[in-house]
Amino acid sequence: GDSVTQMEGPVTLSEEAFLTINCTYTATGYPSLFWYVQYPGEGLQLLLKATKADDKGSNKGFEATYRKETTSFHLEKGSVQVSDSAVYFCALNRAGKSTFGDGTTLTVKP
Amino acid sequence: EAGVAQSPRYKIIEKRQSVAFWCNPISGHATLYWYQQILGQGPKLLIQFQNNGVVDDSQLPKDRFSAERLKGVDSTLKIQPAKLEDSAVYLCASSHPRRGTEAFFGQGTRLTVV
Repeated sequence: GDSVTQMEGPVTLSEEAFLTINCTYTATGYPSLFWYVQYPGEGLQLLLKATKADDKGSNKGFEATYRKETTSFHLEKGSVQVSDSAVYFCALNRAGKSTFGDGTTLTVKP
Repeated sequence: EAGVAQSPRYKIIEKRQSVAFWCNPISGHATLYWYQQILGQGPKLLIQFQNNGVVDDSQLPKDRFSAERLKGVDSTLKIQPAKLEDSAVYLCASSHPRRGTEAFFGQGTRLTVV
């Protein structure tokens, strides 16, 4: 079946550091790929998405590129802020069904 | 537009008791999902509705969990009887089938079974 594997956390960075959270997936066909963010006490919010190979999703300074050859969708941000502290989930959607990774907790210290 | 509404936000019950959660999706979203999110894990799909029909309930523990979406809008998820391992956040999400595949999530109901 479909699966998503994220780099294990937690990740702790200083403000303005570079962020990478790795995500790889296993799925047949051509799934859509997503990154969701969950701030403390809140539900999941869509951060960015990509629907086909080589697409780049971007939002709020975050980026991820759909790499079909490596089945990856790594999340990057050039300069993180304290307000980026949250749990980040990689997910795929195929045939209307979503599969999530287990999440990576990011803490950004001033 | 208004987001996905869920209630209650928090619930504490004893094992073997019953509990129900309510969800109101975004207006016009035909697809509705219930997910279970155990602490430290990603959301796991319990059931998916398309209008008022069930699309996928393969991961729903049917001996104790039930869900309905009678008029294709609101939905309720029930657990009876609850077990300690049901302690989790129950997330409702909805999506519009013609506007992409991303789901919009409610804030969730945090259930603690003691």
